[in-house]
Amino acid sequence: GQSLEQPSEVTAVEGAIVQINCTYQTSGFYGLSWYQQHDGGAPTFLSYNALDGLEETGRFSSFLSRSDSYGYLLLQELQMKDSASYFCAVSISSGSARQLTFGSGTQLTVLP
Amino acid sequence: DAGVTQSPTHLIKTRGQHVTLRCSPISGHKSVSWYQQVLGQGPQFIFQYYEKEERGRGNFPDRFSARQFPNYSSELNVNALLLGDSALYLCASSSAGGIYEQYFGPGTRLTVT
Repeated sequence: GQSLEQPSEVTAVEGAIVQINCTYQTSGFYGLSWYQQHDGGAPTFLSYNALDGLEETGRFSSFLSRSDSYGYLLLQELQMKDSASYFCAVSISSGSARQLTFGSGTQLTVLP
Repeated sequence: DAGVTQSPTHLIKTRGQHVTLRCSPISGHKSVSWYQQVLGQGPQFIFQYYEKEERGRGNFPDRFSARQFPNYSSELNVNALLLGDSALYLCASSSAGGIYEQYFGPGTRLTVT
């Protein structure tokens, strides 16, 4: 089976930097994605790492270490609108089958 | 361009009934996936369809089934509803068979009483 671990809650202040970690155990792994979901909204795609290293997209960066089965999402210059749930998700491939498995999510609260 | 659309937005059903949820992907997207999300949890993968063929199936009972039509829209069917099926059902589309970058619809909130 698959398992993903991420913190349930993180709190930070506006302008700060926050890192949300994700560790995973799975077979057929081929990448790690991050999604943001505001209350009452749909998940929106933030970033994807298939290879080791850092991917940067504006204020958001994502990192992957395949050997450590670990990744993180880094949010810089936090804004109030960043308050949301953040999910890591592993892409799994088995033959022609594809599956995206989400973690339980990290609730980020940004304080003024 | 329109995003992923789902219908209905809300639905109330009784235990034992059947439900059909519908999804239209972003124009040009050939892959549709279905997820179940209960409050406080991440979306749980149910199915992926690509080019009208099932490409992936999550750990859900056979009461759950889906199909994709020639225009790439999709239906999710759930038979013999249980109280535990109450959840937000999300549909997501992607442009190719890859599953890592998905565009989600607003979801259908299903309540089973």
